[in-house]
This record gives sequence, structure tokens and C-alpha cells, in this order.
Amino acid sequence: QKEVEQDPGPLSVPEGAIVSLNCTYSNSAFQYFMWYRQYSRKGPELLMYTYSSGNKEDGRFTAQVDKSSKYISLFIRDSQPSDSATYLCALEGGYSTLTFGKGTMLLVSP
Amino acid sequence: DVKVTQSSRYLVKRTGEKVFLECVQDMDHENMFWYRQDPGLGLRLIYFSYDVKMKEKGDIPEGYSVSREKKERFSLILESASTNQTSMYLCASSLFGTGSNQPQHFGDGTRLSIL
Repeated sequence: QKEVEQDPGPLSVPEGAIVSLNCTYSNSAFQYFMWYRQYSRKGPELLMYTYSSGNKEDGRFTAQVDKSSKYISLFIRDSQPSDSATYLCALEGGYSTLTFGKGTMLLVSP
Repeated sequence: DVKVTQSSRYLVKRTGEKVFLECVQDMDHENMFWYRQDPGLGLRLIYFSYDVKMKEKGDIPEGYSVSREKKERFSLILESASTNQTSMYLCASSLFGTGSNQPQHFGDGTRLSIL
């Protein structure tokens, strides 16, 4: 079983839709959870990070962690064409190393 | 803003060559990382360093080495390049310590082709 599972997509939605992106993980030792956004031909940029179970909001983005189910989500409200990118979940292990999901490609059409 | 700069965006080398990929960060970060990113495989950690002259193997270190002579600079070395090392290489840095207060910041990557 892979440590982090993430549906590769692509996920296609119309502008204005609510988007749900998800990852599941198997190792309960992971304590910190992050979402990165990666545009084509660019490096990943940090969007959100959470520690505890529950929700964290930042503008149109909400990160949700359920440690008991080993399930993390990123919700995007009022999605925009500029949100079209690949979204990577990342979970932190020792020495600040991260284990990444393979990424979900999101396409938001105008 | 943190800036992680990778010396080349695109690089083409030949099989058997020794290849150097350079990365510089400007935020006095202790930790630096090298990843490769391949379609269907995602980001995989090659090596990381948490201090000058220190290095730790990641998940896929075979065929690679690293050098960290100065805090701001972390080099990835392909000792004898092979075609299966054609990939996007990403460098990242972060402050020392675990936790979400020390996120990793990435460069824009070097797309390396080995012919």
C-alpha cells in the first residue's frame, strides 16, 4: 500500500464550482499536512498547512484533516480559471521531509 | 519572499557525462532538498541536507550525490548520467525543525534530458 494516495484526475469543473481534492494516507505518524499548487513549468508553491484534525480556512480555500480516517481534503470555493493547476498533498515526516501525493490536475473552464 | 534559484531551466546532456545541478536560496535556511518529479510517480526525494557539509539519503539516492559547502548552496551531482535520469529536478529549502511553521519553498525546476 502506497503511503499517500491521490487521484491524478484530471478534474474538470466550470468556473464558480466548488472543488474537492482529497488524499488518503496509511502512516499514522504523519502529523503535519500541506497542500501545494503547481502551475505548468513552475515549482510547487505552498497553499495551506494544518496540524490538527478539523478545518482551516484561507480565503476561498479550506483544508480539512480527519486523522482518525487518515483523510485530508482541500476545498476551493468559487473556482476560477486561474486555479487550473496540479494540486499536491504533502505530509511531514522526520527532519522536515515531506511525502507527496502524486497530484491532482484541476481544470477550471470559463 | 523566499527565493530558491536553480541555475538552469533546461539542460541537455549525454549519457555518461558528469552533470551538476545547482541551487541557491537567499533566506538563510538550514534545510535543503533535491527531488525529481516524473509523470505518474510524483515528487520523490533524492537527498537532503540540514547543515553545511551534512547530507542524508532520501528515497532514491542511487546514481546521485550532493554537495553542500555553503549554507545557501546545494548541488546535485549525477556521477555518470543515464537516460533514466531524464526528469524534472526540483530544489527546495526550509528552516530547521519539524512542523508547519517551516514549510518547504521550491525553485522552478531544471528539466534535464539525457540523450
